[in-house]
Amino acid sequence: KQEVTQIPAALSVPEGENLVLNCSFTDSAIYNLQWFRQDPGKGLTSLLLIQSSQREQTSGRLNASLDKSSGRSTLYIAASQPGDSATYLCAVMGRDDKIIFGKGTRLHILP
Amino acid sequence: DTGVSQNPRHKITKRGQNVTFRCDPISEHNRLYWYRQTLGQGPEFLTYFQNEAQLEKSRLLSDRFSAERPKGSFSTLEIQRTEQGDSAMYLCASSLVSRRDSSLLYGYTFGSGTRLTVV
Repeated sequence: KQEVTQIPAALSVPEGENLVLNCSFTDSAIYNLQWFRQDPGKGLTSLLLIQSSQREQTSGRLNASLDKSSGRSTLYIAASQPGDSATYLCAVMGRDDKIIFGKGTRLHILP
Repeated sequence: DTGVSQNPRHKITKRGQNVTFRCDPISEHNRLYWYRQTLGQGPEFLTYFQNEAQLEKSRLLSDRFSAERPKGSFSTLEIQRTEQGDSAMYLCASSLVSRRDSSLLYGYTFGSGTRLTVV
């Protein structure tokens, strides 16, 4: 059974710092991995999608990497801003076509 | 196309009442998923459709829950005889998969969710 773990559960950093969020999964047989952002009480916004054959994806200040063999992904946020404060969720899609989510990392950027 | 639309945004109901939520996916997407999210947790899979066929249901989806996707367009999720433990955010997502090999062509797009409170 696929399990997705995100570390840390919560993180507070001063504005302007670079930061890394971690995601690990137990079954490396995945089709893709997706990072989402969720603001309080809101739905999910897709940030980056990495197919199983890819190693990383970049969008603006965000960079996501995937090491399928070791079951790890990282989300790197450069030059953090207060508007980046949100919960970041990692999700993997396996051969059973279901998306399994981690519990998320609550990020707070201090002005 | 304005993305995935869910209605209502909020629903407060008394225990024992029935509720129905609606999801309108992105029009060209053939996959539709329902998820449930409680406070401090990641979303949990409930069920998914490919076109009008319901392909899988989670054990979380008790017999009080039923989902439909008539004609492969919008979907409804009904909860009968609601209980306080049903209080959660119900999220819908859609995606497009290849008809040839079911590979994901685009990432999942989620709606804003329906927040259910059972009192």
